Amino acid sequence: QVQLQESGPGLVKPSETVSLTCAVSGFSVSTGFYWGWIRQPPGKGLEWIGYISHSGSDVYNPSLKSRVTISIDTSKNQFSLRLDSVTAADTAVYYCARREQWQAFFDSWGRGTLVTVSS
Amino acid sequence: EIVLTQSPGTLSLSPGERATLSCRASQTVRGGFLAWYQQKPGQAPRLLIYAASRRATGIPDRFSGSGSGTDFTLTISRLEPEDFAVYFCQQYDSSLSLTFGGGTKVEIK
Repeated sequence: QVQLQESGPGLVKPSETVSLTCAVSGFSVSTGFYWGWIRQPPGKGLEWIGYISHSGSDVYNPSLKSRVTISIDTSKNQFSLRLDSVTAADTAVYYCARREQWQAFFDSWGRGTLVTVSS
Repeated sequence: EIVLTQSPGTLSLSPGERATLSCRASQTVRGGFLAWYQQKPGQAPRLLIYAASRRATGIPDRFSGSGSGTDFTLTISRLEPEDFAVYFCQQYDSSLSLTFGGGTKVEIK
C-alpha cells in the first residue's frame, strides 16, 4: 500500500524559498503515475500546485508557475517542491499526493505539513 | 481555466437524511474527469468518486456521483455520523490543469 510523507521547514521568512520533500513508500515513483502537490491555507479550500511524471514531465498551476519547481528523484523514491519568493499568502498545509495517470484524480495523499511564512 | 462552483456552502442535515451536493463547472468538463473528495478536520482529503460516478476502493455505496458536461452531483443516500465533513470536487481539463471547487460543509443539524 502506497504511503506518502511530507517533510520540510515549518517556518519560512518572507521572500525566502521553501523546499518540501515527499517520501514515497510501498510503491515506486518510477511506475506510471504522476506525483503532485496541493496546498490548503488555514480554514480555506484546496489549491493545486503542480504535478510531475515519473519521467520528469511537469505541469504547474498557471497562477504559481513563475515561482514553483517540482522535481523527482527515482533513486530515492521521492519528489520535491520548491516555492520561491514566499509571502504570508503562501502559509498553508502542503500535501503531496499520487495522481492517477489517465483520470487525473488523487488517490493517495500524505498527511500534510504546515508551512508558515512569517518574519 | 475551468472554475468549479460548489453549492450550497453549508448543508445542515440530520443523520439518516439524504445529502445532495452540487458542483458546477464554468466550461464543459470533457471526458467526465470529475472527482469528489471528503475531508475531515486535521486530515488529508480522501478520494470518494472519480470519473464522475465511479466509487473509489472501499467507499460505501451510500455515496454516489452523477452528472456530465458542466453539472455534477454527489449524493449521500443516508447520512452516517462519520459523513459530516467537507466535500470538494476536482476537475482535469485538456490544458492539463486541475482545479478544485470551494467545498461544501455537511454539518449536523
